Amino acid sequence: NAGVTQTPKFRVLKTGQSMTLLCAQDMNHEYMYWYRQDPGMGLRLIHYSVGEGTTAKGEVPDGYNVSRLKKQNFLLGLESAAPSQTSVYFCASSPLSLPDTQYFGPGTRLTVL
Amino acid sequence: GDSVTQMEGPVTLSEEAFLTINCTYTATGYPSLFWYVQYPGEGLQLLLKATKADDKGSNKGFEATYRKETTSFHLEKGSVQVSDSAVYFCAFDNQAGTALIFGKGTTLSVSS
Repeated sequence: NAGVTQTPKFRVLKTGQSMTLLCAQDMNHEYMYWYRQDPGMGLRLIHYSVGEGTTAKGEVPDGYNVSRLKKQNFLLGLESAAPSQTSVYFCASSPLSLPDTQYFGPGTRLTVL
Repeated sequence: GDSVTQMEGPVTLSEEAFLTINCTYTATGYPSLFWYVQYPGEGLQLLLKATKADDKGSNKGFEATYRKETTSFHLEKGSVQVSDSAVYFCAFDNQAGTALIFGKGTTLSVSS
């Protein structure tokens, strides 16, 4: 039981490049989330999903797209990376909606030059 | 708007000292309250939570009580250990139940 895994762990991009971050969970959870963590700030929600085939915007969705084609996977895409997207990205999942516990992955550190 | 205010860190303590990390929130209605912990190089883990007023959450020697009248959820531990060194985040769920609103985090460093 691996829990929540994220790929890759680190990535450096140049401005304008695109990439996809993969989140996978093996706990059969319905809900999945993408957060970003910036220095001196708490985590902020980018997008979330309440089930396979569904996605919704969070607090800071601009510049990101997501897809949930399979229940166990939640992809976060950056179409044209900007330096402001330099951050640590965390994926989380939960069996039910809040206040159910969210289980977090180890994070992806992204640097955009 | 909705927000969480945590005491600024870093907090530096000696082993076996008493710990308090203050947390207050501004929210619509009566949210559920959480403390998450992030150990170095890892993702966040739920430490404890409380879902209604006067509830006390507890785990691993940590405690926090949901105080509706002061909109607070202060984290306490009677005797900290070196292994408690981590970043602690206070959070609550938004009114729609779709997102956690996090504080900025408080770094705790415990030395032996």
